[in-house]
Amino acid sequence: DTGVSQDPRHKITKRGQNVTFRCDPISEHNRLYWYRQTLGQGPEFLTYFQNEAQLEKSRLLSDRFSAERPKGSFSTLEIQRTEQGDSAMYLCASSPTWSGNTIYFGEGSWLTVV
Amino acid sequence: GESVGLHLPTLSVQEGDNSIINCAYSNSASDYFIWYKQESGKGPQFIIDIRSNMDKRQGQRVTVLLNKTVKHLSLQIAATQPGDSAVYFCAESYNTDKLIFGTGTRLQVFP
Repeated sequence: DTGVSQDPRHKITKRGQNVTFRCDPISEHNRLYWYRQTLGQGPEFLTYFQNEAQLEKSRLLSDRFSAERPKGSFSTLEIQRTEQGDSAMYLCASSPTWSGNTIYFGEGSWLTVV
Repeated sequence: GESVGLHLPTLSVQEGDNSIINCAYSNSASDYFIWYKQESGKGPQFIIDIRSNMDKRQGQRVTVLLNKTVKHLSLQIAATQPGDSAVYFCAESYNTDKLIFGTGTRLQVFP
């Protein structure tokens, strides 16, 4: 399978703990995006990378959130001191810049904060 | 601002009928639009896209129509099948910027 891969698929954590999600984009895709989705809503943009450069961060991305893409390939999204409101599905997507803005999503990482 | 869906409208259709799912987008300057299908517990799956210099584009059993005058986008699914049951989202972007998603529509197909 050469699609966008996310790990872990499910994570249950206690409030106050840190969690990290990993995303492996489609090979040779320059752009990598992180979105968050809660039940009944559309995905909300969090941040995106062009290669290793983080080009934009949403105001939804509080100081407790940090994303990296150190070598321009895989990316990690870390949430520090998790809160119950962080419970959501975190979606990663990637796109090749030459195809406009068609982005391809992974299956998501479900986070439940208890 | 960001476009989010607070309520999920539902469209119920009989198997074999055509489905039309509508979407109102927010930015008149948006130049690229995509429809995604999302099944329960899965990530959004690309269906079809259209650029603002077009008003219609066809794929396999799907057609997207764009009306820039009223900022309206629609997805038509021909001969709807049970496997089409899912939540459908439209998304827009401007000038290679990020995608902004609209309110989803749940499509239910009954026999």
